[in-house]
Amino acid sequence: GESVGLHLPTLSVQEGDNSIINCAYSNSASDYFIWYKQESGKGPQFIIDIRSNMDKRQGQRVTVLLNKTVKHLSLQIAATQPGDSAVYFCAENKGAQKLVFGQGTRLTINP
Amino acid sequence: GAGVSQTPSNKVTEKGKYVELRCDPISGHTALYWYRQSLGQGPEFLIYFQGTGAADDSGLPNDRFFAVRPEGSVSTLKIQRTERGDSAVYLCASSERGGLAKNIQYFGAGTRLSVL
Repeated sequence: GESVGLHLPTLSVQEGDNSIINCAYSNSASDYFIWYKQESGKGPQFIIDIRSNMDKRQGQRVTVLLNKTVKHLSLQIAATQPGDSAVYFCAENKGAQKLVFGQGTRLTINP
Repeated sequence: GAGVSQTPSNKVTEKGKYVELRCDPISGHTALYWYRQSLGQGPEFLIYFQGTGAADDSGLPNDRFFAVRPEGSVSTLKIQRTERGDSAVYLCASSERGGLAKNIQYFGAGTRLSVL
């Protein structure tokens, strides 16, 4: 049979369009969240972070939104480029030490 | 100025053998973390060091897994009597200091362990 774990949620967007990747986190006590980008054969690469006392934070072409009421996090990438193709993980920080990662979303940028 | 370095990049071993995986953190980073990533999954926490001591080893799956960081810099993850289920990518991360509300962890490229 198939392994559910091998089937990441996927998102395909056209180059130049904006993309939104969503993540539900589990612990209402988590106070810090990070988005990572992981390319094939590489380790996770830090993109942007946000503390629980904020609901929005912007970086270069990226914006993270935090909705604590529904325990939801999103990553918006503006004007996507081919190099944005990767797997994106959200992670919540528990006890300011270990990170707990979500399942991940595979983003594909179509030319 | 280099990032987190992990060696070897790939390790193939036979069931029942002992393996050691090495991690060189970013210079000056006092906190070091080990994670394990299976295919199609996010990384899963194994152990966290603050300096030389293991501050949290709650993620180690059983007593076949052990990690050390004797001088507060390089760390070695040791796996005894390897099993096929241990096959995964083992990731190391470091941060300036653990225990802070803002704690960006920087990851190495990982060691891909294959147990035949």
